[in-house]
Amino acid sequence: DAGITQSPRHKVTETGTPVTLRCHQTENHRYMYWYRQDPGHGLRLIHYSYGVKDTDKGEVSDGYSVSRSKTEDFLLTLESATSSQTSVYFCAIGGRRTEAFFGQGTRLTVV
Amino acid sequence: KNEVEQSPQNLTAQEGEFITINCSYSVGISALHWLQQHPGGGIVSLFMLSSGKKKHGRLIATINIQEKHSSLHITASHPRDSAVYICAVTEGETSGSRLTFGEGTQLTVNP
Repeated sequence: DAGITQSPRHKVTETGTPVTLRCHQTENHRYMYWYRQDPGHGLRLIHYSYGVKDTDKGEVSDGYSVSRSKTEDFLLTLESATSSQTSVYFCAIGGRRTEAFFGQGTRLTVV
Repeated sequence: KNEVEQSPQNLTAQEGEFITINCSYSVGISALHWLQQHPGGGIVSLFMLSSGKKKHGRLIATINIQEKHSSLHITASHPRDSAVYICAVTEGETSGSRLTFGEGTQLTVNP
């Protein structure tokens, strides 16, 4: 299995609080992705990174920011969590010339 | 219209049946992925295809690039095959390796 881990696995937070999710990979992949999964919408891209300090927005980026200071780590931050950001978040690597590998997912509940 | 369409959305089968899940896409792709997600679980890559056919055990995946269509077949289905099966594509060379997902097919195999 590819080495990609997410933390935390579960989190409950209050509306308006900041939240940071971490994705760590040991595969030295250049590209890393954050997706959210919601019933009726499937998986949607939030942000992605194509290298250290190089990031770009996906289709549902409003309310989220990311940072990548090292190849192995990709952080997703909700600056001020809202109930609409309750979701399951997946980090992923690979997908073009290799299989795609996903982290275990983070279930975030904003109350 | 979604760029990746799967059918059926839901599928119920009896153990031992031959199962087919279909995926059509409307964009140019560099690869197509079939993924599996068990309830409450992570996402696992089953296949990555850019042409032809691949087989792993009881699972077979085919792709027709000209028709922009792929199928996932499960032979001799078993209750443990019950999961959501997701088709995803990696678009052309300019999009990195990010995935665009279908909404998934919920498969239930009854004993």
